[in-house]
Amino acid sequence: SQTIHQWPATLVQPVGSPLSLECTVEGTSNPNLYWYRQAAGRGLQLLFYSVGIGQISSEVPQNLSASRPQDRQFILSSKKLLLSDSGFYLCAFTRLSPSSYEQYFGPGTRLTVT
Amino acid sequence: RKEVEQDPGPFNVPEGATVAFNCTYSNSASQSFFWYRQDCRKEPKLLMSVYSSGNEDGRFTAQLNRASQYISLLIRDSKLSDSATYLCVVDNQGGKLIFGQGTELSVKP
Repeated sequence: SQTIHQWPATLVQPVGSPLSLECTVEGTSNPNLYWYRQAAGRGLQLLFYSVGIGQISSEVPQNLSASRPQDRQFILSSKKLLLSDSGFYLCAFTRLSPSSYEQYFGPGTRLTVT
Repeated sequence: RKEVEQDPGPFNVPEGATVAFNCTYSNSASQSFFWYRQDCRKEPKLLMSVYSSGNEDGRFTAQLNRASQYISLLIRDSKLSDSATYLCVVDNQGGKLIFGQGTELSVKP
């Protein structure tokens, strides 16, 4: 079966510090991978998506970046965190169903920037 | 206009009630549609995909009206465990999902 992992589960970081969040997928090959952010009381915002190793598309200009060094690994990074980077970060992968591409989410990382 | 719009609620209903959520989307070229459920401080979980002919999964029924760009979710015989936020989701470009803000449901005993 296909599973998705994220770590850490929670993180408290000071403003200006770097960030690295990791996501890995098991049980599938060459998945489409996605990073979303959900700010408190708001909807999910797509940040990055990747259709393959080294292929990253950015949806929203910001001080975050993403990388895909391996087929089933997706990393979200920042060199200097801002207060506005606080939120719930979710990684997702796509699984083709009989009629559509369904996305499944990891457990998320709750980031608080202080 | 938001790409996906939902009534934020909250919907407060007694156990056993039938509740319906509505959602509209702005892109007539949208191809796939979903309902997700999100519990407090948890990741969204796929509840069901929405097919053109409508589909049912136990107590849950989803309908799609492409002409009106409208999606609905009906929950029959509500359970306490149905309390959550329900997210209407539209796939515009083969995997890039657009999420509604969610509708909060609270089922009371």
